[in-house]
Amino acid sequence: DIVMTQSPDSLAVSLGERATIHCKSSQSVFYSSNNKNSLAWYQQRPGQPPTLLIYWASTREPGVPDRFSGSGSGTDFTLTISSLQAEDVGVYYCQQYSSTPRFGGGTKVEIK
Amino acid sequence: QALLVQSGAEVKKPGSSVKVSCKSSGGPFNSYTISWMRQAPGQGPEWMGRIIPNIGITKYAQNFQGRVTITADKSTSTTYMELNSLMSEDTAIYYCAREMRLTPAGGPFDVWGQGTVVNVSS
Repeated sequence: DIVMTQSPDSLAVSLGERATIHCKSSQSVFYSSNNKNSLAWYQQRPGQPPTLLIYWASTREPGVPDRFSGSGSGTDFTLTISSLQAEDVGVYYCQQYSSTPRFGGGTKVEIK
Repeated sequence: QALLVQSGAEVKKPGSSVKVSCKSSGGPFNSYTISWMRQAPGQGPEWMGRIIPNIGITKYAQNFQGRVTITADKSTSTTYMELNSLMSEDTAIYYCAREMRLTPAGGPFDVWGQGTVVNVSS
C-alpha cells in the first residue's frame, strides 16, 4: 500500500491570505501512460461528505474556484489556496489512485 | 446531474451485520464504478472496496477481505455494502462514491453519497 502523509495537521490563516498544504506519498504515484500524477485533493466541510477539488495533481474539477491550485510530482504534492475565503474552512485530504486508493490524514484549515 | 442517496442510520450490536444501500440517479449507472469508504471520527476516509455494476466485478481492500460484500442491482440502480462480524471499531460514517476510471488502478471520487452513520454498541 502507498501511505499518504499530510502536513501540517492544522493551520490558521487570515482571510485573503495564502494557505499551503503538503502531501507526501511513500512511493511515486507518477502514471507513465500520460505523464501525470495519480493524486487528488478533496475539501470536507463539517457534517458533509468530501468534495473533489483537484485530480491528476493539478486539474481542477469543473466549478472549483481558481484560487485552489495543485502542484507537485512523484512523491511530493502541494495544495494552495491563494486567497482564503470564509467558505474554505474545513478539512482537506489528499488521495492517491496509483494503487489501492488511500487518503491522507487530513489538514484542518481555520480562520485566524 | 448524478446523485447518490444512501439508506438511513443504523445501530447494531457487536457480532451482527449491517447492509447499507446507495441508489444512483441522474446518470448512466452501469457506466461507472461505485466504491465504498468509511470515515471514523477525526480520521480520513478509508477505502473498503468497489463494484463495476454492469459486469458485477468486485475488489475489496485487504483489511476487509472476508468481512465485506458489495453487490449491485442494475434494475434499481442500487449498490449495497454488507459488513459482517461488527465490532465497536466499525462505528463510522459509511459513504458510497462514484469512482472515475482514470487508470487501471482506479481514480478519484467525483460524486459522493450523503453518508450513513453506523453505530456499533452493546
